[in-house]
Amino acid sequence: RKEVEQDPGPFNVPEGATVAFNCTYSNSASQSFFWYRQDCRKEPKLLMSVYSSGNEDGRFTAQLNRASQYISLLIRDSKLSDSATYLCVVGGGGATNKLIFGTGTLLAVQP
Amino acid sequence: DTAVSQTPKYLVTQMGNDKSIKCEQNLGHDTMYWYKQDSKKFLKIMFSYNNKELIINETVPNRFSPKSPDKAHLNLHINSLELGDSAVYFCASSFGAQGYEQYFGPGTRLTVT
Repeated sequence: RKEVEQDPGPFNVPEGATVAFNCTYSNSASQSFFWYRQDCRKEPKLLMSVYSSGNEDGRFTAQLNRASQYISLLIRDSKLSDSATYLCVVGGGGATNKLIFGTGTLLAVQP
Repeated sequence: DTAVSQTPKYLVTQMGNDKSIKCEQNLGHDTMYWYKQDSKKFLKIMFSYNNKELIINETVPNRFSPKSPDKAHLNLHINSLELGDSAVYFCASSFGAQGYEQYFGPGTRLTVT
């Protein structure tokens, strides 16, 4: 089983749609959780941290379910500029708690 | 004002050569990382330094040798380059080493022919 698993997509959605991405992780000792965004041929950029209580940043909502080891990202009112790969990232626990990246979910927002 | 910078941005070289990639961050972070992103876009950590001390050393061929002269710099030297080394190499930095938010450089696209 992969340490961090995501549906690779692609997700093709029209502008204005709501889209949800899911992610599961295998290490129950994980302590930190993030969503990163990576545009084509660019570096990953932090989109938002994910907290146990859930958190929202504008059109983006992230949720964490520790019992199910499941993380989600909801994007409302999709814009063309949201088109990118969304990476689920988990701190792997242990002494260094290194970040483990999922392979990403590709989102294409269509006009 | 670039936060995490890498040089060169592109590197094309032949098998067997030795090359170096440099990374610098001006964020005041104490931890720096090297990641490799292969053709399938899988991003995997290679090394991490905290206050110039190596703290993460994944299963990487010993042809790869990182060096951190100070907290703001982390370089990667690769000996005897192989075709399979072709990838994008990203440098990143963070405050602390315990899985905190990381900030990435623009990447170095290495092509070995």
